[in-house]
Amino acid sequence: DIQMTQSPSYLSASVGDRVTISCRASRSISTYLNWYQQKPGKAPNLLIYAASSLQSGVPSRFSGSGSGTDFTLTIASLQPEDFAAYYCQQSYSTPRNTFGQGTKLEIK
Amino acid sequence: QLQLQESGPGLLKPSETLSLTCTVSGGSISSNSYYWGWIRQPPGKGLEWIGSIYYSGNTYYNSSLKSRVTMSIDTSKNQFSLRLSSVTAADTAVYYCAHYFDNRGYLYFDQWGQGTLVTVSS
Repeated sequence: DIQMTQSPSYLSASVGDRVTISCRASRSISTYLNWYQQKPGKAPNLLIYAASSLQSGVPSRFSGSGSGTDFTLTIASLQPEDFAAYYCQQSYSTPRNTFGQGTKLEIK
Repeated sequence: QLQLQESGPGLLKPSETLSLTCTVSGGSISSNSYYWGWIRQPPGKGLEWIGSIYYSGNTYYNSSLKSRVTMSIDTSKNQFSLRLSSVTAADTAVYYCAHYFDNRGYLYFDQWGQGTLVTVSS
């Protein structure tokens, strides 16, 4: 099974900051990597698919990059509504897939 | 716009079988190129993929749960279901059903149910 490792697990930042979250796959997954945002008590929401494609309706301050084993989610300028948990997910071994353990983004 | 809704018992005793159904509206469950999935999230923890089912009925399960999981699809009711046998407290979680969309070979969960909390306690 492909393992996904996110870092950091917790991140403290301020409104307006630029933040990056990393995700590493245990073996190459090309660009079969998705990013989700989850707010407390809610289902996850797709932000980025295919490593760098922005899902319709997602603000442009979110961007994704990477290929192979190393990926990054960047939020260009944090807004109050961005404080949430973020998960990466590999779909290389579709229909089997794996989520990262998550990154909780908190207000500093 | 697809909508998904989970339903099923919220409280189980250890050793019982968890049974959940996901009802899909706003589209046909048997459209090709569609997978449907179950994902769970223990309280305060991360997401765990449980399994996926294709509209044809082909199933794919998380290897760590494979011996206890059964998924099925009922195209006449536009529903798919999850059964997890011999539950323990470790199976306490919010269970989500989701639509696994194929976008030219790139698949992702684009629509989710609201989730249902299942608690296992004696």
